[in-house]
Amino acid sequence: GESVGLHLPTLSVQEGDNSIINCAYSNSASDYFIWYKQESGKGPQFIIDIRSNMDKRQGQRVTVLLNKTVKHLSLQIAATQPGDSAVYFCAENRAGGYNKLIFGAGTRLAVHP
Amino acid sequence: EPEVTQTPSHQVTQMGQEVILRCVPISNHLYFYWYRQILGQKVEFLVSFYNNEISEKSEIFDDQFSVERPDGSNFTLKIRSTKLEDSAMYFCATPRGLADTDTQYFGPGTRLTVL
Repeated sequence: GESVGLHLPTLSVQEGDNSIINCAYSNSASDYFIWYKQESGKGPQFIIDIRSNMDKRQGQRVTVLLNKTVKHLSLQIAATQPGDSAVYFCAENRAGGYNKLIFGAGTRLAVHP
Repeated sequence: EPEVTQTPSHQVTQMGQEVILRCVPISNHLYFYWYRQILGQKVEFLVSFYNNEISEKSEIFDDQFSVERPDGSNFTLKIRSTKLEDSAMYFCATPRGLADTDTQYFGPGTRLTVL
């Protein structure tokens, strides 16, 4: 069935290290992808997005990579900080789906000092 | 990041009661979405609303659910007869801007607890 899923449910890193969170999607027709950060008790917070005509996009300390061949998405966080500790969700926007977002299961990032 | 607000932050209700969740989206946008998140699970799409009409709804959004835009700015999600399994966080979301309808910004959510 259709799904957007994650390889690692929990990721623990040391402060200052780089973090990589992965996501797999199943629908080749998806043309837009977003990474959200969710802190406890809060709503998903937009981090970065990428369209299917790109394979890389950089933001402030974050980079998203898209590999359409294997339908894989990753979020890289440079110099991870304690404030980065949260659950990270990838979401896909399926073409023709009235812009509804299909979310993955989420990865918890734990940053240790 | 643009602000989407939701009220109440927490709603406790008895099974079978009606609840109304409210959202004030980013102003002047015609697109609007409701999602829910059961504790510890992923965010799930409920319904999309465009120009005062439902444009798409999920299997979760059954006859017990309804959405309205009562006064041109606020949006509401109504659950007519709540069930225990309706306990979840409910989020509204709107696009970033009039020219960009893909990126969705989420409100802080309403935690619904059905007893």
